[in-house]
Amino acid sequence: EAQVTQNPRYLITVTGKKLTVTCSQNMNHEYMSWYRQDPGLGLRQIYYSMNVEVTDKGDVPEGYKVSRKEKRNFPLILESPSPNQTSLYFCASSLLGTLRSNQPQHFGDGTRLSIL
Amino acid sequence: AQKITQTQPGMFVQEKEAVTLDCTYDTSDQSYGLFWYKQPSSGEMIFLIYQGSYDEQNATEGRYSLNFQKARKSANLVISASQLGDSAMYFCAMREGSNTGKLIFGQGTTLQVKP
Repeated sequence: EAQVTQNPRYLITVTGKKLTVTCSQNMNHEYMSWYRQDPGLGLRQIYYSMNVEVTDKGDVPEGYKVSRKEKRNFPLILESPSPNQTSLYFCASSLLGTLRSNQPQHFGDGTRLSIL
Repeated sequence: AQKITQTQPGMFVQEKEAVTLDCTYDTSDQSYGLFWYKQPSSGEMIFLIYQGSYDEQNATEGRYSLNFQKARKSANLVISASQLGDSAMYFCAMREGSNTGKLIFGQGTTLQVKP
């Protein structure tokens, strides 16, 4: 089954304790992206990657890191999490050639992070 | 700057009736795409329908249709024959004309279907 898998689905942690949210897709998609969702703000892009070893900042990259060492994986790293990073996070992927087409981005099921 | 505006934080509709969820957008790009996603209480994002800026006809997908008025920069979602399972948050999103693939989302509209 074609899917984007995020782990963990839920995490409660404390300020300053490094954490990684994993994202893996099995559709051979070149493009991957991370969003955060906050009430009243919709979803905002954190980082994106057009292919292996190619990453770039989105609208709200502060406090986050990403890496793209393999095509299928795009982990989101919070080196020193703070309470304002409490949010619902989504990973998404698509074929690069579809960026201008009608093919939607495929979203993972979300990761709910609470930073105390 | 590109922007999506959804002015209805919450909507109610009676089961089996039709409902329109509003979405307006702002962009200077000539080429762009508009998407609607559904987010049930379980949290996942479900793609519903797409409209391209050069599409001459309004998109339809089953009970979903998109009322696309390019001159007014609006892309309203119409759900016909509402079902209880349609209760969810709905997001309008625009894909920029650049190659970043970024989706710009509106604030969302919560729809509740009453039995």
